[in-house]
Amino acid sequence: EVQLVESGGGLVQPGTSLKFSCVAAGFTFSDYWMSWVRQTPGKTMEWIGDIKYDGSYTNYAPSLKNRFTISRDNAKTTLYLQMSNVRSEDTATYYCTTNYFDDWGQGVMVTVSS
Amino acid sequence: DVVLTQTPSILSATLGQSVSISCRSSQSLLDSDGNTYLYWFLQRPGQSPQRLIYLVSNLGSGVPNRFSGSGSGTDFTLKISGVEAEDLGLYYCMQATHAPFTFGSGTKLEIK
Repeated sequence: EVQLVESGGGLVQPGTSLKFSCVAAGFTFSDYWMSWVRQTPGKTMEWIGDIKYDGSYTNYAPSLKNRFTISRDNAKTTLYLQMSNVRSEDTATYYCTTNYFDDWGQGVMVTVSS
Repeated sequence: DVVLTQTPSILSATLGQSVSISCRSSQSLLDSDGNTYLYWFLQRPGQSPQRLIYLVSNLGSGVPNRFSGSGSGTDFTLKISGVEAEDLGLYYCMQATHAPFTFGSGTKLEIK
């Protein structure tokens, strides 16, 4: 059974940095491109970006590229999302998923507020 | 960015009724590899999104066959043939042909 378990959310202050993890199990993680997707409190879905199976290439939504970094550690079967200089509009639930979008994590909530 | 216009935003249906959701793209989703990367998802209340349909019309694993997808180019449709109570939730289309991948604004299915 495929499992994707995110962690690292919570309440953070504007301007700070935050790093999420997504631990994968039940499939050969190193064979898959992976994506991060977020959902705002208003239920808008936004693709953040993805990373190639070997970590050698990343794509980002242009509006997020300068502040978000996706990485992975295939030995640990873990996907990461680092956010810098967070803003109130980054308040959302963040999901990791494979690039077939067939399996999703449970999501991790982030609230950016002072 | 590709804009996906999803209609209606709210859909109210009785059990057993057949309903359709439209997803129109601002540009063709036919990729140079011959595939059309158009997906449909259902997000039940309090849950993560679940993939229903991939590549326009392919049923996801474990998805009931009352769900079907159709379309090509810029116009796509998700049909539910006989709504059941477990189908309530938010439906989204998504395209992964053109980066950045984009989602429709969602359709909320309510059961009357």
